[in-house]
Amino acid sequence: DIQMTQSPSSVSASIGDRVTITCRASQSISSYVSWYQQIPGKAPKLLIYAASNLQSGVPSRFSGSGSGTDFTLTISGLQPEDFGNYYCQQSYSRVTFGQGTRLEIK
Amino acid sequence: QITLKESGLTLVKPTQTLTLTCTFSGFSLSTSEVGVGWIRQPPGKALEWLALIYWDDDERYSPSLNNRLTITKDTSKNQVVLTLTNMDPVDTATYYCAHRGIQGDYFDYWGPGTLVTVSS
Repeated sequence: DIQMTQSPSSVSASIGDRVTITCRASQSISSYVSWYQQIPGKAPKLLIYAASNLQSGVPSRFSGSGSGTDFTLTISGLQPEDFGNYYCQQSYSRVTFGQGTRLEIK
Repeated sequence: QITLKESGLTLVKPTQTLTLTCTFSGFSLSTSEVGVGWIRQPPGKALEWLALIYWDDDERYSPSLNNRLTITKDTSKNQVVLTLTNMDPVDTATYYCAHRGIQGDYFDYWGPGTLVTVSS
């Protein structure tokens, strides 16, 4: 199984900050990574697919990068509605999610 | 637009079999590249992928649950059914079904989820 390790496990940031969340795969997975936001009590929402493609309707302050084993989700100019949990997911070999990153707004 | 909704028993006893139905609209599971997956989330924990079924009847399962899971589709009813045998309290979770993205095995539309509790 391919493991996805996210860091940090939690982060606190202020409105307007730039936030970076990383995900490391246990083996090379090309660009088969997606990112999701989940507000507590709600279903996850797709933000990024294929490592760097912005899902339709998602604000451009969200961006993704990386290939191989190391991937990054960046939020440029944090907004109040960006709080919640963020998950990476690989689809190179079946599907695996990371353990999540909790984003709190200061 | 694409919508999905999960349904099924929300309280099951240990050792029983869980059967969940995903009823969807806005797409057809007979169309090339289309798929529906199941994902679960125990309270306060991370997402866990369970299974995925494709337009061509291909099925993929989580290796850790493979011997307990079955996923099937009924294209005429726009439904996907997941069964999980030998339920245990650790299987208590919110279960989601989701539409597979056209360009790969990511999930672009999700149902609201259904909380399943395993308790005697």
